[in-house]
Amino acid sequence: GNSVTQMEGPVTLSEEAFLTINCTYTATGYPSLFWYVQYPGEGLQLLLKATKADDKGSNKGFEATYRKETTSFHLEKGSVQVSDSAVYFCADKFYFGSGTKLNVKP
Amino acid sequence: DGGITQSPKYLFRKEGQNVTLSCEQNLNHDAMYWYRQDPGQGLRLIYYSQIVNDFQKGDIAEGYSVSREKKESFPLTVTSAQKNPTAFYLCASSLRRTSGGSDEQFFGPGTRLTVL
Repeated sequence: GNSVTQMEGPVTLSEEAFLTINCTYTATGYPSLFWYVQYPGEGLQLLLKATKADDKGSNKGFEATYRKETTSFHLEKGSVQVSDSAVYFCADKFYFGSGTKLNVKP
Repeated sequence: DGGITQSPKYLFRKEGQNVTLSCEQNLNHDAMYWYRQDPGQGLRLIYYSQIVNDFQKGDIAEGYSVSREKKESFPLTVTSAQKNPTAFYLCASSLRRTSGGSDEQFFGPGTRLTVL
């Protein structure tokens, strides 16, 4: 069956550092892939998505490229801010990774 | 404003009681979903519905029941058969049921259920 695996956290970075959160998936075919963000005590919000292989999703300085060769959809941001502190989830429609908590220190 | 509402935000129940969690959306979305989130874990799918009067079990449906009598509403009942019901419950919806999975899900703010 389908599954999504992402790197465990927490990840602690200083402001303006480079961020990578790894995500790999197993699925039949080539599903759409999503990154969601969750702030404390809230539901999830879509951060970005890619609907087919080689697509790059981007939003608010975050990017992720759908790579079918490596079945990966890693999240990256060149310069994180304190306000990016949250939990990030990689997902394939119904299947969510376990979440990676990001702490950004000033 | 369009969106998904879940009520209440916090819910306390005694062991052995059934409890129903509300989920309403005014986005005119066809599909709706219920997830369970436990501390430090991802979301696990309980039930989903792609059209009124139809729903499918997810990975952890045992001890839960749902109904979809109206497009806007998808209530979840946590029954006394659910062995470990204390968790954060999230409802979501997506636009189309035939999109092949390309539509993102819109989430409600969640209900934290504590069974005493």
